[in-house]
Amino acid sequence: RKEVEQDPGPFNVPEGATVAFNCTYSNSASQSFFWYRQDCRKEPKLLMSVYSSGNEDGRFTAQLNRASQYISLLIRDSKLSDSATYLCVVNRPGSSYKLIFGSGTRLLVRP
Amino acid sequence: GAVVSQHPSRVICKSGTSVKIECRSLDFQATTMFWYRQFPKQSLMLMATSNEGSKATYEQGVEKDKFLINHASLTLSTLTVTSAHPEDSSFYICSARPGGRVNEQYFGPGTRLTVT
Repeated sequence: RKEVEQDPGPFNVPEGATVAFNCTYSNSASQSFFWYRQDCRKEPKLLMSVYSSGNEDGRFTAQLNRASQYISLLIRDSKLSDSATYLCVVNRPGSSYKLIFGSGTRLLVRP
Repeated sequence: GAVVSQHPSRVICKSGTSVKIECRSLDFQATTMFWYRQFPKQSLMLMATSNEGSKATYEQGVEKDKFLINHASLTLSTLTVTSAHPEDSSFYICSARPGGRVNEQYFGPGTRLTVT
C-alpha cells in the first residue's frame, strides 16, 4: 500500500465549478499535512497546510479526518488558472520535516 | 523571501559522465536541504537529506556512491550524479528548510536531466 494515495484524475470541470479531491495516508503517526500545487514541469508550491479543525484560504478549503486518515481539498468557483496537479503531502512519522508526496490529482478547468 | 535556486535548469549529458546540480537558498540560511527525484507522471521521491557540515542521509534504495551530496555551507548543497545512465534521466528538485522552522520547506525550480 502506498504511503499517500490519491486519485490521479484528471478531473475535467467547467469554470465556476466546485471540485473536491481526496487523499488517504497509511501511517496514523503522521502529524503534518499539506496540499501542494504543481504545474507542468515545474516545482511544487505550497498551497496550504491542513489543520485538524479544517481551514480555509479564499476559495480553497482543506479538511483532515485523523480517524479515517483522510485529507480533502475543496476548490470553489474554479478558475482556468487552477488547472494543475494537486499533491497531498504528509510528514514521515519520526521526522517532522521529511515529506511524503502523493502522486497527485490532475485538475483541468475548461472555459 | 524564501527563494531557492537550482542550477542548471536543464542538462543533457552522455552516458558515463558525471553531472553536478547546485541548490542555493538565496535569502535565508538552510540548515537542512532535501533532494528529490520525480519521474514522469510519478510522485516526488525523497532521495536524501543534507545537513550542513555533516554527511547526507540517504533513503532506502538510493545509492550514496552514485548520488554524491555535499552541503558545505548554509546556503549551498550540491548533488553529483556520477557515471550517469539513461535511467537516471529525471527531474531533480531540491528543497531547503530554514533553520529553526520545522514545517517550512521551500522548493527550487528543479533540474531536468537527460542522459543520452
